[in-house]
Amino acid sequence: GAGVSQSPSNKVTEKGKDVELRCDPISGHTALYWYRQSLGQGLEFLIYFQGNSAPDKSGLPSDRFSAERTGGSVSTLTIQRTQQEDSAVYLCASSTRSGADEQFFGPGTRLTVL
Amino acid sequence: GENVEQHPSTLSVQEGDSAVIKCTYSDSASNYFPWYKQELGKRPQLIIDIRSNVGEKKDQRIAVTLNKTAKHFSLHITETQPEDSAVYFCAAREGGSYIPTFGRGTSLIVHP
Repeated sequence: GAGVSQSPSNKVTEKGKDVELRCDPISGHTALYWYRQSLGQGLEFLIYFQGNSAPDKSGLPSDRFSAERTGGSVSTLTIQRTQQEDSAVYLCASSTRSGADEQFFGPGTRLTVL
Repeated sequence: GENVEQHPSTLSVQEGDSAVIKCTYSDSASNYFPWYKQELGKRPQLIIDIRSNVGEKKDQRIAVTLNKTAKHFSLHITETQPEDSAVYFCAAREGGSYIPTFGRGTSLIVHP
């Protein structure tokens, strides 16, 4: 079946602009995660969604970052007033349920802020 | 919160040699430890994992060992092949959490 998909694959924007990154999880997966991967860094947790529960936003680095998950499926990560330090690869992952072991990652969106 | 340290950051080996990547964690409540492989330009994929009630797990050429007392776990790859070249990430997850904490990754280079 189809894996996790993300769009766009690459995004170049100017400092100060807003961007939206999209994630389509595997059908039926109730848990969804967003991570940020900067050059030479690990996977930095941003936000976690589980079903209809309130998301865990503890990893969001500033109030410029927000995310939504509509209908328990597609998720959008929004970064407002982008800064150069926001440049990174943004990865989405899903898993079958809360607490399930394996996370299935998407291909990522490479964001470059000029 | 959990803190995961991973070493080395880069590991270069000759084809056929063994490779070992080590991680330490801080939270003694962590009970699940996955390893992900990320080939260049591709997405991370789970290659092996271990739970805290097991000391070692093997899958063909890869194995993971866990020392709960010392709070460290390691990935062992034997008979390395060029296709093993990738970045490997360890992670630790506390029993009551759904969010793993990842290490910074190890870039493994296998020279033919």
